[in-house]
Amino acid sequence: SQQGEEDPQALSIQEGENATMNCSYKTSINNLQWYRQNSGRGLVHLILIRSNEREKHSGRLRVTLDTSKKSSSLLITASRAADTASYFCATSGLSGTYKYIFGTGTRLKVLA
Amino acid sequence: DVKVTQSSRYLVKRTGEKVFLECVQDMDHENMFWYRQDPGLGLRLIYFSYDVKMKEKGDIPEGYSVSREKKERFSLILESASTNQTSMYLCASEQGASYGYTFGSGTRLTVV
Repeated sequence: SQQGEEDPQALSIQEGENATMNCSYKTSINNLQWYRQNSGRGLVHLILIRSNEREKHSGRLRVTLDTSKKSSSLLITASRAADTASYFCATSGLSGTYKYIFGTGTRLKVLA
Repeated sequence: DVKVTQSSRYLVKRTGEKVFLECVQDMDHENMFWYRQDPGLGLRLIYFSYDVKMKEKGDIPEGYSVSREKKERFSLILESASTNQTSMYLCASEQGASYGYTFGSGTRLTVV
C-alpha cells in the first residue's frame, strides 16, 4: 500500500539553483521523513517532521508540512552536483506502528 | 554513527536455492526492517521485528521468512528463490518509533 507520492518524478536543475520536491499522502500521519538515495546505495535519513510541526530546517534543507492538504515539500537551496540523487518521503501512521511507508521518489539531477 | 551492515553488495543465486541475506546493526536498536526496492514500485516492506524473536509481516511477505535470534542481527530468508525475487534488498534499523531509519548499503540479488 503506497502512501506517499512524490512529485515531480524527475527534476533537472543547474548547480546553484534551488530544488523543490513535493510529497502527498493519503491518511493522517504521526510524522513524515525525507531520505536521499545515491545510485545503487542505501537510503540516508535527512529530516523528520512531526504532524504538529509546520516547518523544519537542516542546513540547506527546508521541509514544510501541511496536514490539511496532506502534503509536504522538500527544498534544497543552492544545489550542488553532489545533491544528485533520488529523494523519498516516508510516512508513519497514527496507529503507532513502527513501519514507514515510502513513496516512489523524485530523481534529482544537478548539472555542474 | 550507527552502522547497519549487509553481508553482500551483489549476489547471484539459482532458482530454487535457499538464500540468506544477513543484516547486522551495532547500536542496540530495537526495531529492524527488510524492504525490497524495484523500479517504479518504490520500497516495499517485507518483514519487520521490534524485539528478539519477534517478527511481523509487512506488505509482501510471501516467499520470505526472517530470523532474529540476537538483537543486532536480522536475517531475511528466501525459502526457494524465484526470478521474481530479483531485486535490491534493503535492511534498516531504528532506535524506536519516530526516530528515522538507518539503512544498510543494500544487497542487489539476481536470481537466474
